[in-house]
Amino acid sequence: EAGVAQSPRYKIIEKRQSVAFWCNPISGHATLYWYQQILGQGPKLLIQFQNNGVVDDSQLPKDRFSAERLKGVDSTLKIQPAKLEDSAVYLCASSLVGGGADEQFFGPGTRLTVL
Amino acid sequence: DAKTTQPNSMESNEEEPVHLPCNHSTISGTDYIHWYRQLPSQGPEYVIHGLTSNVNNRMASLAIAEDRKSSTLILHRATLRDAAVYYCILRKAYGQNFVFGPGTRLSVLP
Repeated sequence: EAGVAQSPRYKIIEKRQSVAFWCNPISGHATLYWYQQILGQGPKLLIQFQNNGVVDDSQLPKDRFSAERLKGVDSTLKIQPAKLEDSAVYLCASSLVGGGADEQFFGPGTRLTVL
Repeated sequence: DAKTTQPNSMESNEEEPVHLPCNHSTISGTDYIHWYRQLPSQGPEYVIHGLTSNVNNRMASLAIAEDRKSSTLILHRATLRDAAVYYCILRKAYGQNFVFGPGTRLSVLP
């Protein structure tokens, strides 16, 4: 089966610019997650969708980050405007139903560098 | 949220077993214990999970203490491809989410 797809793989922008990342989850997976991973740290959950509804966005910096999940399938994560501290790898993951025993499948990530 | 504690790093020789410990003394009765690993420049990948009983799959075994306050991930024969950061994570039954700690960086020596 095809895995989680993300694009672009790499992005370099200047601070105060905008950027968007795209994620296509595994077909049939109801739950989609966006994580931010800063170098040397474990991933941090930014937002979790169940179908096209938001389940948890408590750690999403809502003044500059936004995310949507189109028709309960693909998702985009946007940063506007970017700051230097946003430099990180942005990981998308999906799982079948989102329950406690669910396995999450991760994409390869998008490496963002903010200059 | 219940937290986990893991050693920062461990080292193993190739083809020897590896035991990666995890402490989770504040675990609740409905928390699942998950293990993921992250190879260099890749996203995390699922290794194994359990609730109360020991679990085996093609990648590893998970040994869970009787009081569930600790667990051990067992790689039966380490290979160079097992060099990665291993994360032990607790997840509640209704899916409240993964809190990744810094994990254990496993080095495998040839």
